[in-house]
Amino acid sequence: GEDVEQSLFLSVREGDSSVINCTYTDSSSTYLYWYKQEPGAGLQLLTYIFSNMDMKQDQRLTVLLNKKDKHLSLRIADTQTGDSAIYFCVLRRARNQGGKLIFGQGTELSVKP
Amino acid sequence: GAGVSQTPSNKVTEKGKYVELRCDPISGHTALYWYRQSLGQGPEFLIYFQGTGAADDSGLPNDRFFAVRPEGSVSTLKIQRTERGDSAVYLCASSLTGEYSGANVLTFGAGSRLTVL
Repeated sequence: GEDVEQSLFLSVREGDSSVINCTYTDSSSTYLYWYKQEPGAGLQLLTYIFSNMDMKQDQRLTVLLNKKDKHLSLRIADTQTGDSAIYFCVLRRARNQGGKLIFGQGTELSVKP
Repeated sequence: GAGVSQTPSNKVTEKGKYVELRCDPISGHTALYWYRQSLGQGPEFLIYFQGTGAADDSGLPNDRFFAVRPEGSVSTLKIQRTERGDSAVYLCASSLTGEYSGANVLTFGAGSRLTVL
């Protein structure tokens, strides 16, 4: 939706790092997530970050949050062909706004061997 | 079950017909969500159940859409007088609780692809 903006496509070579960026408008969001969607499979939660954090690392994944600029990024180190998928930046609305998940349009990551 | 199961996986119908889409959540999950994903878009929230009751139905686009969860487990999304614009993938998700927490992880099903001709 218009509340969450992502670039639509990213292409990288196997072994390189991928960085997927997201900007958002709702500063009240307290939880921000990255979901992965592969063809024919359900959405899979990759990681999430609480809004009072600025970085979270989980194996090959690094999430950076710049709350001032309302910018979230996902870095995938040593990208593999199996990482090819659509990645969604997702916000959780504040509790007093219903707490629902708001998805970006998704960034299609293509990993070339 | 081990995951969220949705049936049918594909449904083709004609404009004006009635459609039901079923979601079988993970056993023991009290919260259930329906989302709709149009081609090239991210999922959009439709409705959220906590137990048997709809806690938030603010995403239902109009009164042709209705969802039930009579026993607090399986849910059915019902669409009356379908229109071509209803064509999308309908996603169901469940979580252990409806707690407002980043750790309240939603597990999504593979979706039901609806095509209205």
